[in-house]
Amino acid sequence: DQQVKQNSPSLSVQEGRISILNCDYTNSMFDYFLWYKKYPAEGPTFLISISSIKDKNEDGRFTVFLNKSAKHLSLHIVPSQPGDSAVYFCAASALGQGGKLIFGQGTELSVKP
Amino acid sequence: GAVVSQHPSWVICKSGTSVKIECRSLDFQATTMFWYRQFPKQSLMLMATSNEGSKATYEQGVEKDKFLINHASLTLSTLTVTSAHPEDSSFYICSARGSDGYTFGSGTRLTVV
Repeated sequence: DQQVKQNSPSLSVQEGRISILNCDYTNSMFDYFLWYKKYPAEGPTFLISISSIKDKNEDGRFTVFLNKSAKHLSLHIVPSQPGDSAVYFCAASALGQGGKLIFGQGTELSVKP
Repeated sequence: GAVVSQHPSWVICKSGTSVKIECRSLDFQATTMFWYRQFPKQSLMLMATSNEGSKATYEQGVEKDKFLINHASLTLSTLTVTSAHPEDSSFYICSARGSDGYTFGSGTRLTVV
């Protein structure tokens, strides 16, 4: 039972354009969502998070949008840079379920110069 | 910021031997730590939740007698892969939850030959 899904395994974007990474979830108890960037053989690096009481959170070039009714969140990166190329994971947790993070399958972003 | 140190970063062991992986929160206390496993090009799969001073909670399908978790202090959790076999070869990552949120270790690449 995949509670967090990233249906796009890969995404290719031109430098300077917007990257949009999508994530869907099924567990209505999730109340905290995070995005991580990961390189092979390294631990994930935190990017941005959002609580379920908000629908948008912005930090520099990164913005996360949350649509609770659709159980959908997205990460926007604008403008995209070649250094953004990595695998991006969304993760969700439910405080009432121990706060453990459940990860999606990841989306490999490639930003081309 | 919060730092989690994970050691070793890589290990090769013979089939049938045991391997211990350490996860330390360096500048904060972590009452809860999480252990993940990642296969190539796949998601981070939660193995277990480790709470200081109590038994770990394992996810469905994870053999608790094979993957021994000890969380003896607020800054240290260990994962011991007992009687390792080639199918245990994977990338293992720990995460510690503190007041600032979740911090991940850099991961351990285990290869069982």
